[in-house]
Parts: sequence; C-alpha cells; structure tokens
Amino acid sequence: DAGVIQSPRHEVTEMGQEVTLRCKPISGHNSLFWYRQTMMRGLELLIYFNNNVPIDDSGMPEDRFSAKMPNASFSTLKIQPSEPRDSAVYFCASSNDRGYEQYFGPGTRLTVT
Amino acid sequence: GEDVEQSLFLSVREGDSSVINCTYTDSSSTYLYWYKQEPGAGLQLLTYIFSNMDMKQDQRLTVLLNKKDKHLSLRIADTQTGDSAIYFCAEMTGGYNKLIFGAGTRLAVHP
Repeated sequence: DAGVIQSPRHEVTEMGQEVTLRCKPISGHNSLFWYRQTMMRGLELLIYFNNNVPIDDSGMPEDRFSAKMPNASFSTLKIQPSEPRDSAVYFCASSNDRGYEQYFGPGTRLTVT
Repeated sequence: GEDVEQSLFLSVREGDSSVINCTYTDSSSTYLYWYKQEPGAGLQLLTYIFSNMDMKQDQRLTVLLNKKDKHLSLRIADTQTGDSAIYFCAEMTGGYNKLIFGAGTRLAVHP
C-alpha cells in the first residue's frame, strides 16, 4: 500500500493568501485526522472525520480554517486568509474500522511570510 | 483532564538499552502508543499496548504499562544509530479514536 499521501510537501506563501492542503488516506480506511505540529504546542488534533463526516472539529483554531472530505479517498484543509502564526507542519492520518492504528502521512510544511 | 508527559531528551551509547518514559492522566485510556519521528518525516507507528495488558514485546522493543501509576515505558534493546529520532507517547481517549500526544523525547545515540 502507498500509505497516506499528502500534497504539497512544502508550501511557502504570503500572509493573506489562501492555502489548501490535500490528503489521500489509505485505501479502505474510513477515519481521517488532521493534526498540526509546532514547536510551541506540539501535536494537536484539528479535526476528525468518520465515513466522510466531520465528527470533532473542536481543535480547529478559528474560522479561517476549514476542512472537507468529499469522498472516502480525499480530504482538504484550507486556510483563508493565512497568517504567519499558521506556519507549522500539518499531518494527515487515517485508520480503519477498528480505529486503534492511526497511520500518518509525511506532512506538509507550511511557511507563511 | 488529558495530559501526557515525557522527558525531552535521552542520550545513550550505541549497543546499550534505551528506556523512554511517559506518564498520562486519563485512567480511561484504552490504548497507549509509541510513535517514532525521524527528521523531516511523518510519525511512524512503532507499537501500542491495550490498557488491560502490562507488557508487550516486539523484537527489540519492549513496552511496559503500569496502569496504577499511569506510567508507560519503551525499552529499545541494542540501540543503534538508526534509532536516533523523536519518540512520542500517546494515549487514546475521548470516546472515539482521539490521540493525545506527549511533547516527544529526542533520543540521541552516540558511538
């Protein structure tokens, strides 16, 4: 299996621009998670989807952040407008029905200048 | 509340055993995990243990769980330079598959 796929791997953008991060979960997995990793706050869960439905978005920092999962093989995390404090590594993870094995993608390193 | 704590740094000599420790606060945690992160990479699931177990061994890795003290440890036997990485402890909690991570322990292996 190819594992969780994320794109782009690196993104550099200017403050105020829209940023879209993409994730393809492992085939057959029905749960998808978006995490953010920073030096100050460590790893934080942003949002969790189950069967394409958002179950818990309490970790989404503010309205500038939105996430969608239009089908079982694709999810996006959008930041609009972006700010320098959004600079972080964003990880996508997926798990199957049993749920207790979460597999992470390689991450997208976002830099907002 | 949910909190996972681990020491930030560990240095060991190549060939020695490494022991990375972690404490957690949620007594209702169902699974406890160890993930490994190498520079510039994602998190690799190393091993995990169900909360009703007290030990799990997988090749060079041994996980010990003391549920009474809410203490988890990861022992790496015969530590190699390729084991140099950040190791994250995590607990599964929250009624669904939510993981709470510690800050990570940076393991440095020297000759």
